Amino acid sequence: EIVLTQSPGTLSLSPGERATLACRTSQTVSSDLLAWYQQKPGQAPRLLIQGGSIRATGIPDRFSASGSGTDFTLTISRLEPEDFAVYYCQLCGRSPPFIFGPGTTVDLK
Amino acid sequence: VQLLESGGDLIHPGGSLRLSCAGSGFTFKNYAMNWVRQAPGRGLEWVAVVSGSGSTAFHAESVKGRFTASRDNSKDTFFLQMNSLRGEDTAVYFCARGATTVDPFDHWGQGTLVAVSS
Repeated sequence: EIVLTQSPGTLSLSPGERATLACRTSQTVSSDLLAWYQQKPGQAPRLLIQGGSIRATGIPDRFSASGSGTDFTLTISRLEPEDFAVYYCQLCGRSPPFIFGPGTTVDLK
Repeated sequence: VQLLESGGDLIHPGGSLRLSCAGSGFTFKNYAMNWVRQAPGRGLEWVAVVSGSGSTAFHAESVKGRFTASRDNSKDTFFLQMNSLRGEDTAVYFCARGATTVDPFDHWGQGTLVAVSS
């Protein structure tokens, strides 16, 4: 079974800064199998990115994703106050289970 | 699109519970439905998926043989029957929609809390 790891565990940044979040898979996967979610405290997760790099409906263009092989990245170009949250990567598009990474917390510096 | 979970409760170890997820604002039978859980202070764990027709279901190893996901398309409702509950099943349970059984989850409910404790 493929394992997902995310780094760093916590990223402390200020509004306006760039955030770079990493997701690594234990085996090579196609980039279009990666999805990214955002979760704020007390809320359900929200789909940000699907198919590796395609923003979901209504997601602002400051969010982007890329990667290949085993290394994938979610980038938030300029942090807005509402972007401080936990971010999860997920491997889908294969047979279950649909593994989530452990998450990266982006908090206020 | 709206997904509304219900049925969460405080339950003793070994007990049973059935969660429901009512869908509205979309053609329910055209979408796969998933259960995802989140233990307090922890990350997300996928639990189960059922295809739009209800003919195909997959469950995580951690719940296989104890939990059963199913759906009633005539009532636009998705279920999770949970038996032999354990303390480690304590979590918020979310239902989430996917275009197919292998697609990402594009809409989520707000979750319902299941607490397993004596």
